[in-house]
Amino acid sequence: AQTVTQSQPEMSVQEAETVTLSCTYDTSESDYYLFWYKQPPSRQMILVIRQEAYKQQNATENRFSVNFQKAAKSFSLKISDSQLGDAAMYFCAYRSGSKYGNKLVFGAGTILRVKS
Amino acid sequence: EPEVTQTPSHQVTQMGQEVILRCVPISNHLYFYWYRQILGQKVEFLVSFYNNEISEKSEIFDDQFSVERPDGSNFTLKIRSTKLEDSAMYFCASHPGGGPGNTIYFGEGSWLTVV
Repeated sequence: AQTVTQSQPEMSVQEAETVTLSCTYDTSESDYYLFWYKQPPSRQMILVIRQEAYKQQNATENRFSVNFQKAAKSFSLKISDSQLGDAAMYFCAYRSGSKYGNKLVFGAGTILRVKS
Repeated sequence: EPEVTQTPSHQVTQMGQEVILRCVPISNHLYFYWYRQILGQKVEFLVSFYNNEISEKSEIFDDQFSVERPDGSNFTLKIRSTKLEDSAMYFCASHPGGGPGNTIYFGEGSWLTVV
């Protein structure tokens, strides 16, 4: 079974600075997808960014980018120019590519605090 | 933007009572899910549903739980004889199909408190 590990229970960043959240995963599959979801205090799960395992190029979405190291099974999220609205719980998630309906497997989450 | 809607947003129930959590997935989506998040813990998969049947379920999803898509739009999670440890946020999610890389959309959750 696949597992996702987020080793940082909590991180802090100063507004306008950059922070990196870590995620590692374990799988024997070659076809899979990785995601970062944001969960603000409202508790809704919001997709931040997605990475296909077959793509070597790291995904970027505005201020959010990932460092995908397939051999190391590492998938970190970098948030540049941090804003107060970035404060949330961030979940790393894995999804097998073997079939369409596969579930997401989540890590334990990292609480990000943004200081003004 | 289309969204997954869930009701109720918060429900308090007595231990032993039955609870039904309702979800309206995004129209034309094909795959439906329920996840659970106990306060302060990770989001856990409960069940996935496709073509009017369960396609996968976790160990958590035992005989106490059931899902149904009664009318082609709603997707419900029934919890029979609730226990204190069922207190959690329950998320419904849907997926459009067309490949596992497509986004799974989550609702805002239903917070269940069992007392």
